[in-house]
Order: sequence, then structure tokens, then C-alpha cells
Amino acid sequence: AQSVTQLGSHVSVSEGALVLLRCNYSSSVPPYLFWYVQYPNQGLQLLLKYTSAATLVKGINGFEAEFKKSETSFHLTKPSAHMSDAAEYFCGAGGTSYGKLTFGQGTILTVHP
Amino acid sequence: GAGVSQTPSNKVTEKGKYVELRCDPISGHTALYWYRQSLGQGPEFLIYFQGTGAADDSGLPNDRFFAVRPEGSVSTLKIQRTERGDSAVYLCASSYAGGLQDEQFFGPGTRLTVL
Repeated sequence: AQSVTQLGSHVSVSEGALVLLRCNYSSSVPPYLFWYVQYPNQGLQLLLKYTSAATLVKGINGFEAEFKKSETSFHLTKPSAHMSDAAEYFCGAGGTSYGKLTFGQGTILTVHP
Repeated sequence: GAGVSQTPSNKVTEKGKYVELRCDPISGHTALYWYRQSLGQGPEFLIYFQGTGAADDSGLPNDRFFAVRPEGSVSTLKIQRTERGDSAVYLCASSYAGGLQDEQFFGPGTRLTVL
């Protein structure tokens, strides 16, 4: 069965520092991978998705993620954190025949001034 | 344009009662998904509709849960004999055709509290 693991339920960074949120997936076949962001009292919003076209995927708000098959990882990064990045982030993996998503448990990002 | 909407935004009920949660997907989206998000967890898949039919209901936890989408647009998630363990945020998402690469657009969710 497909599973997604996010390492670290809470990550805290200073404004301007590098953001690194970790995601590993289990699968014998590289799935479709997504990162979603959830701001308080809002629905999940797609940040970026990997669809096998390129291993480095650029998303909205300056985020990017790199697909590494050898490590079964899809970590999310941003070079310089902004206060507005504070939110909960979810890594998700798509299915094999349609868009059913399997999510990780989420990582809450806190940004300190 | 209008996104996915869900009503009510909050629902408080007593154990044993029946509840209905409504989802209005983006117009023209044939695929509709329900997920459940418990406190501190990521969303968990419940059911997937393609048009009017439930193509995959493998995520429904038991037979107290049922969902319909009679006209291929609005969907209702129905929970009978609610239990305290049903308390969670219920999320609805829609996508254009349900394909592997289709972006799913999520609603803000309905927070269900069972007392």
C-alpha cells in the first residue's frame, strides 16, 4: 500500500532562513507527488506537483521540491522564509489509476521574526 | 471564479444523531473526493465519485457512512448514529476529470464535533 511519511511534525525557522520540509514515500513505482499548504481556516492549496517531467519542481511562493528516486524522497525547500509562509504543509502521493491522494501527517512551519 | 464550497462550516451534534455534510464542487468538475482529517493528522481518503457514481468507496470506515452525488455535481456525505470518534474535519475536493495529474481543489472543510 502507498504511504507517505513527513519527518518532523513541527519545524521552526527564522525569517530569511532556509526552509526544508522532509517527505518520503514508499512505492515500487514512482507515484505522482504533491505538496499542499493549509493556512488557518482555509482549504488545502496546491504548492507544486511532480509528474515525472523534471526532478526539480518549482511551485508557487518560491517553493521548490526535488524528486530523488534513489532516496524515495520529495523534500520541499525555500531559500528564504517569510512570515507569511507560516502554515501546515502536507506531502501527498497520487494513485495508480485516478487521483486518490495519500497524505503524510503534516508539518507545521513556524517562522520567527 | 467560485471554488469548492462546503456547508455547514461547523456542525456540533450529539452522539447517536444523524448528520449530513454538503459539498459544492467547481462547476464542470466530474471528479469529487471526500477526505477526513483528524486532529494532528493528514487528510484520509473516504470516497471518490466520477460523475454520479461512487468509483471507489474503500475509505469509508463503516456502514454508518454513506455519500451520494445524484446529479453529478453537489455531493452529500451522510453519517448515521454518530460516535465521538467521528469528530474531525471533513474535506471535499474536486478535479476536472479525476486523472492522475489533475489538481484537486479543496474546500475549507466542515468541522464535525460529536458530543
